[in-house]
Amino acid sequence: EAGVTQFPSHSVIEKGQTVTLRCDPISGHDNLYWYRRVMGKEIKFLLHFVKESKQDESGMPNNRFLAERTGGTYSTLKVQPAELEDSGVYFCASSRAGGSVNTEAFFGQGTRLTVV
Amino acid sequence: AQSVSQHNHHVILSEAASLELGCNYSYGGTVNLFWYVQYPGQHLQLLLKYFSGDPLVKGIKGFEAEFIKSKFSFNLRKPSVQWSDTAEYFCAVNVLSASKIIFGSGTRLSIRP
Repeated sequence: EAGVTQFPSHSVIEKGQTVTLRCDPISGHDNLYWYRRVMGKEIKFLLHFVKESKQDESGMPNNRFLAERTGGTYSTLKVQPAELEDSGVYFCASSRAGGSVNTEAFFGQGTRLTVV
Repeated sequence: AQSVSQHNHHVILSEAASLELGCNYSYGGTVNLFWYVQYPGQHLQLLLKYFSGDPLVKGIKGFEAEFIKSKFSFNLRKPSVQWSDTAEYFCAVNVLSASKIIFGSGTRLSIRP
């Protein structure tokens, strides 16, 4: 069974440009999460999808970030326009249906975003 | 707001030393507790988890953690570390009412061969 995959693994863009990160969850996992880690700090929650619906987007930093999960399969996270402080590692995770009770989240390898 | 505190940012040990990494969380409701590990160049992996039952849980590679509800703690332990344990360790709490995982800031573990 394939794990959670993220693309690209590394992206370097200039301030003001647009970047789209992609996450393919484990097949059949309804829950999909986006997290971000800025260097040396904690892994911060961004948002949570249940299938195609946004369950909780309280962690999204501002309206420059847009996450979508069309059809409840893969998800994209677009940053437009990117700012220097958006640099960090963006993690995606997925888990089975049933909310969080007794479910384990599996993480992708992360996308390292560098805004210069 | 819920939070997870990891007391040590960087721990350096010699091989065969014993390890204990502290983790405290601030939430009074029902939680699931996790330790994740990220080895150099690899993705986050689950080390162990506590959902219910015996508060002493055993994970992979000889790691264990003890949930002490009265102290809101979930410390990670290993009796004898190996060089291959060099990694970053994250404590995480799943707040059931919110169905999201909250992470601590991580502890970097370096093992001297």
